[in-house]
Amino acid sequence: TQTVSQSDAHVTVFEGDSVELRCNYSYGGSIYLSWYIQHHGRGLQFLLKYYSGNPVVQGVNGFEAEFSKSDSSFHLRKASVHWSDSAVYFCAVMPNYNVLYFGSGTKLTVEP
Amino acid sequence: GALVYQYPRRTICKSGTSMRMECQAVGFQATSVAWYRQSPQKTFELIALSTVNSAIKYEQNFTQEKFPISHPNLSFSSMTVLNAYLEDRGLYLCGARDGLGGNTGQLYFGEGSKLTVL
Repeated sequence: TQTVSQSDAHVTVFEGDSVELRCNYSYGGSIYLSWYIQHHGRGLQFLLKYYSGNPVVQGVNGFEAEFSKSDSSFHLRKASVHWSDSAVYFCAVMPNYNVLYFGSGTKLTVEP
Repeated sequence: GALVYQYPRRTICKSGTSMRMECQAVGFQATSVAWYRQSPQKTFELIALSTVNSAIKYEQNFTQEKFPISHPNLSFSSMTVLNAYLEDRGLYLCGARDGLGGNTGQLYFGEGSKLTVL
């Protein structure tokens, strides 16, 4: 069984702040981890992914995430957020290359 | 680039009626398509995984009798919600995987089909 946990349901920061959105997973084998963003009323947009290699992966719009096997984590970070980054962010694990299992999401609000 | 189109974007149906939604992959070959439902509480439930030339695999609590899926070729999939009731409302998303892209694992998602049941 694989699970994905996003401990923060809501995160609020000011424009220009840095932010870290937390994601922890439980799965014993090789996995594929990714982050998606969902703006209000829209579908899912891919941000970044990790499968192997450098544990720090770069994504679109200045986002990066770091994989940690010891912590079973794949936290998403951005050094300086913009108001347009306000959205819901979903962490996902893909244990068998076909199906994604999503966390419950973290709503990021960027205030001016 | 790889794109996924879903339609209709929104449907309002009467309780007990059915709704069919379609998923079109453009720019890549969708060897597998996963259908999800996002509840009003925003959590995602996997309904089923459809792989061309393989049996469709439904997750627990979802059945073919309720959510029949068709995946006739590498660019198209459809799913019907039969006898829709209030608990079926939500945003239905299809995520398609490029089978020729190696094990990158990336799913491309459409904008979703939002179902409202009266």
